[in-house]
Amino acid sequence: AQSVTQPDIHITVSEGASLELRCNYSYGATPYLFWYVQSPGQGLQLLLKYFSGDTLVQGIKGFEAEFKRSQSSFNLRKPSVHWSDAAEYFCAVGQKKSSGDKLTFGTGTRLAVRP
Amino acid sequence: DAGVTQSPTHLIKTRGQQVTLRCSPKSGHDTVSWYQQALGQGPQFIFQYYEEEERQRGNFPDRFSGHQYPNYSSELNVNALLLGDSALYLCASSFRTDPLLAPQHFGDGTRLSIL
Repeated sequence: AQSVTQPDIHITVSEGASLELRCNYSYGATPYLFWYVQSPGQGLQLLLKYFSGDTLVQGIKGFEAEFKRSQSSFNLRKPSVHWSDAAEYFCAVGQKKSSGDKLTFGTGTRLAVRP
Repeated sequence: DAGVTQSPTHLIKTRGQQVTLRCSPKSGHDTVSWYQQALGQGPQFIFQYYEEEERQRGNFPDRFSGHQYPNYSSELNVNALLLGDSALYLCASSFRTDPLLAPQHFGDGTRLSIL
């Protein structure tokens, strides 16, 4: 069965500092990988996705992620964090089945930004 | 272009009662998935509907059931509510052609509290 691990529950960075959020997945085939962001009281917004091709993917809001098959990782990065980036971030792996597709989410990393 | 809309936004019920949550997918989307997000956790997949049929189901008891209408809107029904059913319930819509390549759009959710 597929699974996702986000080892960091909370991360605090200073505004302008770089950011890396870790994500490790377990999945037998080539994974579909996603990063979503959730602001308080809101649903999830897709930041970026990977399913094939270039292992470095660019997303919205200046985020990028790198797929490393050898490490089963899909870490999210941003070179300079803004105060508005404070939110909860979820990594997810997608399972493709003939009966339908589903996402399995990690438990999330809550990001706080120091002014 | 309206996104995914869910109603109601908040709901309070008591143990043993039944509840119905509603979701209207993003315009042009025909597949609806439901997720349960407990406090401090990532979303967990409940089930997915396409062509008015349940296509895939996560690890949830039969107390959780759903329906999809010809206009693609969907309902989530939960019977015999338990305290542990307190959560944010998220609806996500996508194109059936490839929900993982054209990823899901999420609503803001319904916050269900069980007393």
